[in-house]
Amino acid sequence: ILNVEQSPQSLHVQEGDSTNFTCSFPSSNFYALHWYRWETAKSPEALFVMTLNGDEKKKGRISATLNTKEGYSYLYIKGSQPEDSATYLCAFYMDSNYQLIWGAGTKLIIKP
Amino acid sequence: EADIYQTPRYLVIGTGKKITLECSQTMGHDKMYWYQQDPGMELHLIHYSYGVNSTEKGDLSSESTVSRIRTEHFPLTLESARPSHTSQYLCASSGEAGGLYEQYFGPGTRLTVT
Repeated sequence: ILNVEQSPQSLHVQEGDSTNFTCSFPSSNFYALHWYRWETAKSPEALFVMTLNGDEKKKGRISATLNTKEGYSYLYIKGSQPEDSATYLCAFYMDSNYQLIWGAGTKLIIKP
Repeated sequence: EADIYQTPRYLVIGTGKKITLECSQTMGHDKMYWYQQDPGMELHLIHYSYGVNSTEKGDLSSESTVSRIRTEHFPLTLESARPSHTSQYLCASSGEAGGLYEQYFGPGTRLTVT
């Protein structure tokens, strides 16, 4: 059974603080790792698609790293703002497969 | 900005009714997907399509059916709704099936079967 684990399940962070959370996935037959942000009452939106071991991607204050050998990815948010409040989903794509396998998400709440 | 639409956004319906959830995209994507999601749980793929006249079942068993007669349209049908079908249904599309391209999501349909 293929599993994608995200931790923590939820996180309360003070505005201005930096934070990070984890996505763990099977390390064999890796093909791609996706990160999405899902704000309340909106659709999930892609943040990053990562494919190479050691890859680092950045979009504004949000960045992500990837370790395919040990099967984890970190998402970092620097200087959290209220608009960062959302559920962050990661999804794993295995070679020769046809679908993304999703984690349950990390719900991030920024306290003003 | 993604151009993928779902209707209705919310639906409350009685047991035994037939329902169709609509999904359309204007991006010309070949690949389209239907996901089911319960609160606090993972997205589960229930159906996908790699192009016109192509449909496959996903990893989560579902009593729903889908069709893909036109590239832009991927409706999902439940012949006889039951309370166990109560869930959120998300439609998505992608420019590539190999996982290298992001998926674009519609706003979802929240279905309640009474």
